Amino acid sequence: GENVEQHPSTLSVQEGDSAVIKCTYSDSASNYFPWYKQELGKGPQLIIDIRSNVGEKKDQRIAVTLNKTAKHFSLHITETQPEDSAVYFCAASIRGRGNEKLTFGTGTRLTIIP
Amino acid sequence: DTEVTQTPKHLVMGMTNKKSLKCEQHMGHRAMYWYKQKAKKPPELMFVYSYEKLSINESVPSRFSPECPNSSLLNLHLHALQPEDSALYLCASSQVLAANEQFFGPGTRLTVL
Repeated sequence: GENVEQHPSTLSVQEGDSAVIKCTYSDSASNYFPWYKQELGKGPQLIIDIRSNVGEKKDQRIAVTLNKTAKHFSLHITETQPEDSAVYFCAASIRGRGNEKLTFGTGTRLTIIP
Repeated sequence: DTEVTQTPKHLVMGMTNKKSLKCEQHMGHRAMYWYKQKAKKPPELMFVYSYEKLSINESVPSRFSPECPNSSLLNLHLHALQPEDSALYLCASSQVLAANEQFFGPGTRLTVL
């Protein structure tokens, strides 16, 4: 089955700087890669996703890049703010097989230092 | 309405109790999911319902019993749980099973004494 590795497990950045979280996946058939943000005491919130026919996607301060050949994808947050502090999970799945299942990475705890 | 709601928010139960967790969505989604999340771990899939039929059961012990009364509601019935079942239980929904974009509720924090 699919295996997703995520690094780093913890990340602290100064407010205003950029943060990058990286994930690698094992199944070359995976074609959908979402990122979730989970704040303390809340459920995961989908913040951005990318499909395998796209190399990069951007939404304001958040961007995701995908390298299918190397089987890795990354989350980039620019101009970080205190409210970006949370745990971030990447995930991978195979869309279109009828039994889609998200395989999550182990999570990154991001702390923004004011 | 783009929200998945879960009740209760917190639940404490003994090992002999029977309780139920409830999940509701009004987005017209036809796939609903139960996940279990232990502290500092990612969510683990338990069950998937598609068009009110159980589609995936990730070999979950029978002390967890899901139920999908209609396309908007998903229940998880709990009986004879163990302390190691203490976790955050998350419900999610997606437009259809193949849609992938899953939207999570806030979860029920379960403690088994």
